[in-house]
Amino acid sequence: GGIITQTPKFLIGQEGQKLTLKCQQNFNHDTMYWYRQDSGKGLRLIYYSITENDLQKGDLSEGYDASREKKSSFSLTVTSAQKNEMAVFLCASSRDRGNSGNTLYFGEGSRLIVV
Amino acid sequence: GDSVTQTEGLVTLTEGLPVMLNCTYQSTYSPFLFWYVQHLNEAPKLLLKSFTDNKRPEHQGFHATLHKSSSSFHLQKSSAQLSDSALYYCALNSNYQLIWGSGTKLIIKP
Repeated sequence: GGIITQTPKFLIGQEGQKLTLKCQQNFNHDTMYWYRQDSGKGLRLIYYSITENDLQKGDLSEGYDASREKKSSFSLTVTSAQKNEMAVFLCASSRDRGNSGNTLYFGEGSRLIVV
Repeated sequence: GDSVTQTEGLVTLTEGLPVMLNCTYQSTYSPFLFWYVQHLNEAPKLLLKSFTDNKRPEHQGFHATLHKSSSSFHLQKSSAQLSDSALYYCALNSNYQLIWGSGTKLIIKP
């Protein structure tokens, strides 16, 4: 088995600050994802990456940057934190792209708090 | 575009009663459908996935039947347990990504 590790578990920042979340996976999966989870809104895709150094925008990419530094890691940056962005951010990975029916494996999430 | 609808935001049931969580979808193609479950303070994880050959997937007492005629993939269990309390997401695969429903919070009371 494998595991997805997200750091930090809680990220507290000030309005306007640039904040970065990190994600590591040891499944050796090709594809990694960043989702935002808001109560009652489901999971919304921010960015995904199908291989090292690849980056694809999701529906919610505005206000965020991402980087796939190596196969096992995928980071997400909130470029200018706003109070309405307080949410849980979930990292996930899958063996191939999601359209093949492969399972997504998730981390436990990072909660962003903007003060 | 493709979409997934979960009409119930919150379902509260007494232990031992049957569970049914609704999921309907719109898709241009014949997608895979999924149910993911997220217990409190845990990561979401796959509960069920539809098969291409119309078999009914089952896991931990839950099952779901893909009905293409009604575009539905409702999640069912014959007898709810306290440990089933969680957030349940229905999803379908579309154009290299998953499309997610808004989620249904299931609370099971003793």
